[in-house]
Amino acid sequence: DGGITQSPKYLFRKEGQNVTLSCEQNLNHDAMYWYRQDPGQGLRLIYYSQIVNDFQKGDIAEGYSVSREKKESFPLTVTSAQKNPTAFYLCASRDTPGANVLTFGAGSRLTVL
Amino acid sequence: AQSVTQPDIHITVSEGASLELRCNYSYGATPYLFWYVQSPGQGLQLLLKYFSGDTLVQGIKGFEAEFKRSQSSFNLRKPSVHWSDAAEYFCAVGATNNDMRFGAGTRLTVKP
Repeated sequence: DGGITQSPKYLFRKEGQNVTLSCEQNLNHDAMYWYRQDPGQGLRLIYYSQIVNDFQKGDIAEGYSVSREKKESFPLTVTSAQKNPTAFYLCASRDTPGANVLTFGAGSRLTVL
Repeated sequence: AQSVTQPDIHITVSEGASLELRCNYSYGATPYLFWYVQSPGQGLQLLLKYFSGDTLVQGIKGFEAEFKRSQSSFNLRKPSVHWSDAAEYFCAVGATNNDMRFGAGTRLTVKP
């Protein structure tokens, strides 16, 4: 079945450490997105990529970095510069051109100890 | 800039009762509108979408939503709620996916 796989599901990090969240899709979608979800705040866009080797900052990119070396992969690194990294992170993809519908992964919960 | 407001943070309904979740948006042109549902610890699943045409759209799991341009609203409805509908519901608006905006969500609790 086609879909988006995010790993790990749960991740614990000590302050000052960088961590990388994986996002892999087998939908052959061009565009991929990373969102951060905090209680009561909905989803906020961190980074997005419309094609391989290209990505753009979203609303809250500070303290995060991404790469898009392959169409199916869009990993997110939460760096030590992110002051409040504890959150639920969602990866999504969209087929382009076409309907404006996002397909989401199951998410990764990052907790900073 | 576009934005989405979901006025109700938490709603509780009895099983079998009707449901309406409110969504108001701000957007300069005809928007693309969406409702997504999220179970605890999971990703978001698309319930329905509106791009153009008939303002009453049908979705999965018996949900429907009505686009009212005059009220800038896109409320989600279900005639009879099931216990399995308990989840968080997000309204979203966007003309391009690089500018998709999500509401803060409404958490639905279903009483037996």
